[in-house]
Amino acid sequence: EIVLTQSPGTLSLSPGERATLSCRASQSISSSYLAWYQQKPGQAPRLLIYGASSRATGIPDRFSGSGSGTDFTLTISRLEPEDLAVYYCQQYGNSPFTFGPGTKVHIK
Amino acid sequence: EVQLLESGGGLVQPGGSLRLSCAASGFTFSNYAMSWVRQAPGKGLEWVSSISGSVGSTFYADSVKGRFTISRDSYKDTLYLQMNSLRDDDTAVYYCAKGGLDSFYYGMDVWGQGTTVTVSS
Repeated sequence: EIVLTQSPGTLSLSPGERATLSCRASQSISSSYLAWYQQKPGQAPRLLIYGASSRATGIPDRFSGSGSGTDFTLTISRLEPEDLAVYYCQQYGNSPFTFGPGTKVHIK
Repeated sequence: EVQLLESGGGLVQPGGSLRLSCAASGFTFSNYAMSWVRQAPGKGLEWVSSISGSVGSTFYADSVKGRFTISRDSYKDTLYLQMNSLRDDDTAVYYCAKGGLDSFYYGMDVWGQGTTVTVSS
């Protein structure tokens, strides 16, 4: 089973600042089958990024994904108040398709 | 509009069974990969099971393998999760999610609102 570790656990930033979220895998993820999801309080998750770096439909370009192998990053270039959420990475290259524990983003 | 509507959740005793349903609309259901993801109270997301599009290959988390069965009825455009031998730690909100056209590569781009399963005596 591929274990995903996300850091930091919590991020507290001001509007307009840049957020950098990390997702590290215990082994290489095949073909960059890595996705990022955003979950706001009380809501279902929303797909942000698939294939490590492709933005899902309707996702603003201030969200970007990068990385390969075992190290992946989600960057929010300019935080907005509505970005308050928990962000999860998930690998789906090898079953079981595991999620990371999440990074909680607080807006100051 | 693409929509997923889960149903079938409820209160069940340990050792009991439950079948969740996810009614799909707005897309050609039979060709798309589908998944179940759950979230225990106050916890993170946990992938449960997935089924591929046309071939119908199935995949399970170790925590549910042998107890849960994912299936689909392409005539009814409905995804199912049969849950047997339920345990306290299966208590969660269960989400149905749509994948890509006969592929998992595109992630899970549409999610239902979730249905709550509570396992308790």
